[in-house]
Amino acid sequence: SQTIHQWPATLVQPVGSPLSLECTVEGTSNPNLYWYRQAAGRGLQLLFYSVGIGQISSEVPQNLSASRPQDRQFILSSKKLLLSDSGFYLCAWHAPGTGAYEQYFGPGTRLTVT
Amino acid sequence: AQSVAQPEDQVNVAEGNPLTVKCTYSVSGNPYLFWYVQYPNRGLQFLLKYITGDNLVKGSYGFEAEFNKSQTSFHLKKPSALVSDSALYFCAVRDSNYGQNFVFGPGTRLSVLP
Repeated sequence: SQTIHQWPATLVQPVGSPLSLECTVEGTSNPNLYWYRQAAGRGLQLLFYSVGIGQISSEVPQNLSASRPQDRQFILSSKKLLLSDSGFYLCAWHAPGTGAYEQYFGPGTRLTVT
Repeated sequence: AQSVAQPEDQVNVAEGNPLTVKCTYSVSGNPYLFWYVQYPNRGLQFLLKYITGDNLVKGSYGFEAEFNKSQTSFHLKKPSALVSDSALYFCAVRDSNYGQNFVFGPGTRLSVLP
């Protein structure tokens, strides 16, 4: 069966510090991968998605970036965090062409920028 | 462009009563529709989906949803609510004409009162 991991689970970082959040998927190959941010326990904002290694699409211009160095690894980064980067970050995967149309989400990372 | 509306921020229902959480959508092609549930500080859990076929789809934990093409709706229902159903519910859509992106509604908070 497939599982998705995210770490760290929680993170407190000062303004201006760098960020690296990691997401890995097990039990599937060639997944589409997604990063979302959820503010104040409500709606999801799509940040990035990737359909393959090195292929990243950005949905919202901001000081965040994403990379996909391996098929099942997706990394969210920032060189300098802003207060507005605080939120709950969710990674998700989707298996195109398999007949499974839905996304599956990781447990999330709670980021607080102080 | 795809869009999803969940017209109610909050739904309150007494335990044992039926519940409905509303969702309407807009797509240019055929819709793939999904419901997810989120408990506090957790990732989203997939509940059910409509891709094609019967308009009434059944999912996890006794939930079901009815696809209505003429009203462009996909309301989530359960015949008898449990206190443990209290959570944040998200409707999502993917347009068959627009690749791999999923669009989520703003979420509806369901409170089931004992």
